[in-house]
Amino acid sequence: GAVVSQHPSRVICKSGTSVKIECRSLDFQATTMFWYRQFPKQSLMLMATSNEGSKATYEQGVEKDKFLINHASLTLSTLTVTSAHPEDSSFYICSARKEFRTGNEQFFGPGTRLTVL
Amino acid sequence: KNEVEQSPQNLTAQEGEFITINCSYSVGISALHWLQQHPGGGIVSLFMLSSGKKKHGRLIATINIQEKHSSLHITASHPRDSAVYICAVYLYNTDKLIFGTGTRLQVFP
Repeated sequence: GAVVSQHPSRVICKSGTSVKIECRSLDFQATTMFWYRQFPKQSLMLMATSNEGSKATYEQGVEKDKFLINHASLTLSTLTVTSAHPEDSSFYICSARKEFRTGNEQFFGPGTRLTVL
Repeated sequence: KNEVEQSPQNLTAQEGEFITINCSYSVGISALHWLQQHPGGGIVSLFMLSSGKKKHGRLIATINIQEKHSSLHITASHPRDSAVYICAVYLYNTDKLIFGTGTRLQVFP
């Protein structure tokens, strides 16, 4: 199997606080994980690629000091939204890359809905 | 123009109908994903394919690499099939996924 979990599934926080979201690959090791953001009725937007043991690679327009990514182990990547503001409210989805003999495939987590008041 | 185009954007069907969702892409790819997302929910991978055809239960996915086109078929559709179906392609020689805008399917009893 290839199961990816996210925690929490839902979080509400006050403006100015920081929120940490965890992404775990439960039954495989993932040297690479991805963080996406999804606005209502829109498709996923890649924010950053998280690499185990090294710095994340951020997509253009994504503030790395705002969205801190730490991939400290082969099964865990975290996304911390620092000093959150209402415009950061969104659905955040992670995926983990599993390596097969025939190629790689991304498996997605269930998502985290962040609401900043 | 998006690199991955899906049609139709919205689709309604009566229970039992045969459904086809199309995906065309304009970039070189190594593989293509069909994904399903229920309202407010996470994303489930239905198929990943790089050639030919795959079948799983009532779902069939086909891809034509020369024509840069893929289709997802649902036979004997059911209200629980109501979801957004997303086509995503792996950009050739990268891990990067490029997503289509999705097809919102509603199946009525």
